[in-house]
Amino acid sequence: EVQLVESGGGLVQSGGSLRLSCAASGFAFSSYWMHWVRQAPGKGPVWVSRLDYDGSGAIYADSVKGRFIISRDNAKNTLSLQMNSLRAEDTAVYYCARSSGNYYPPDYWGQGILVSVSS
Amino acid sequence: QSVLTQPPSASGTPGQRVTISCSGSRSNIGSNPVNWYQHLPGSAPKVLISLNNERPSGVPDRFSGSKSGTSASLAISGLQSEDEADYYCAAWDDNLSGFFFGGGTKLTVL
Repeated sequence: EVQLVESGGGLVQSGGSLRLSCAASGFAFSSYWMHWVRQAPGKGPVWVSRLDYDGSGAIYADSVKGRFIISRDNAKNTLSLQMNSLRAEDTAVYYCARSSGNYYPPDYWGQGILVSVSS
Repeated sequence: QSVLTQPPSASGTPGQRVTISCSGSRSNIGSNPVNWYQHLPGSAPKVLISLNNERPSGVPDRFSGSKSGTSASLAISGLQSEDEADYYCAAWDDNLSGFFFGGGTKLTVL
């Protein structure tokens, strides 16, 4: 069974940092592109970042570029998102998700973790 | 203005067929595959259709997807009360170098 379990969320002050983790199991993690997607309260999903299956290339949404860093450890089946210089508008549920191709949207998603940034 | 445009709402009665559209451009839907998701409150979004028209295992065959040019559609036949949810499309955009979601369509089963 495919499982993606996010952790590391919580309440942080504006300007602070937080590191999210995603533990993957039930599939060949090292063969999948991995994403972070967020959803603010009452809003639709917004794509944040994607990392290639081998960690060789990362892309980011303009809204987080220069502040967030995506990384992975294929030996530990773990995806991470280092979030720096957090803003109130970063408040959202953050989902870890996978995709099976370079330009394929995510298919399976984790349950999500809440990040709240207080101003 | 969203990169991918969906109607904000749709509705139908039990047993009916409902179609939700997702309109884009040559740089996204016109060039790249589209996924469709169902989102129920308090749950993770669930993929209903991947790569334009593929139904993952476990998704009922009442759900189907299609794509023509710069538009994609999700059809739900034999509408059931449990289909009441928010539905989103998503695709990569070559010009903007990112993935984009539609604004979402709230489906109400009357």
